[in-house]
Amino acid sequence: QVQLQESGPGLVNPSETLSLTCAVSGGSIGISHWWSWVRQTPGKGLEWIGESHNSGPTFYNPSLKSRVSISLDIPRNQFSLKLTSVTAADTAVYYCARQASYNIDSWGQGMLVSVSS
Amino acid sequence: EIVLTQSPGTLSLSPGERATLSCRASQNVDFNYFAWYQQKPGQAPRLLIYDTSRRATGIPDRFSGSGSGTDFTLTISRLEPEDFAVYYCQQYDSSPPLYTFGQGTKLEIK
Repeated sequence: QVQLQESGPGLVNPSETLSLTCAVSGGSIGISHWWSWVRQTPGKGLEWIGESHNSGPTFYNPSLKSRVSISLDIPRNQFSLKLTSVTAADTAVYYCARQASYNIDSWGQGMLVSVSS
Repeated sequence: EIVLTQSPGTLSLSPGERATLSCRASQNVDFNYFAWYQQKPGQAPRLLIYDTSRRATGIPDRFSGSGSGTDFTLTISRLEPEDFAVYYCQQYDSSPPLYTFGQGTKLEIK
């Protein structure tokens, strides 16, 4: 059974870049599936950030597209999220996840990232 | 962007009762692109139903999904104590690729 674990700074300064990594075990990110990030806030609920696949294409939520990038590190079996120019509105619990057939069948435990000086 | 609206916001029921949760989409959603999740406090969401009506691995058969077009329903036939949680619907739109979620229905013990 695949397991996912987020890691990274829990506090980021406004205007800086949020960087998170998701370590995957129990399955290879280089074989199949789309790998994604989702965030959750009390105000906006669950928000899909974007997805990437080992075959190349990466897609992002249009509302975040200008600030976000997702990349796969296949040798390390992990993938990452970078979100630039963060503000307090980016404070959220960030989940890494595995997508399967237009739904999300595996989730990390989630990581709270706060944006504050 | 397809907007999902869930109702009711909060549903108060007792164990053993039947729960019916609704999700309405602002545009038609392909049945293959619709799912339901359960989330308990401090936990990540868990996939319950995919392709509108297929139960995910390990999900009890008291959970069922139905619907088409813009109206979808999650039914829990007889509530167990562990079913009290927040439930989210989700859809996928392919042009451009975008997943969106409903705002959630909180199922609480009456």
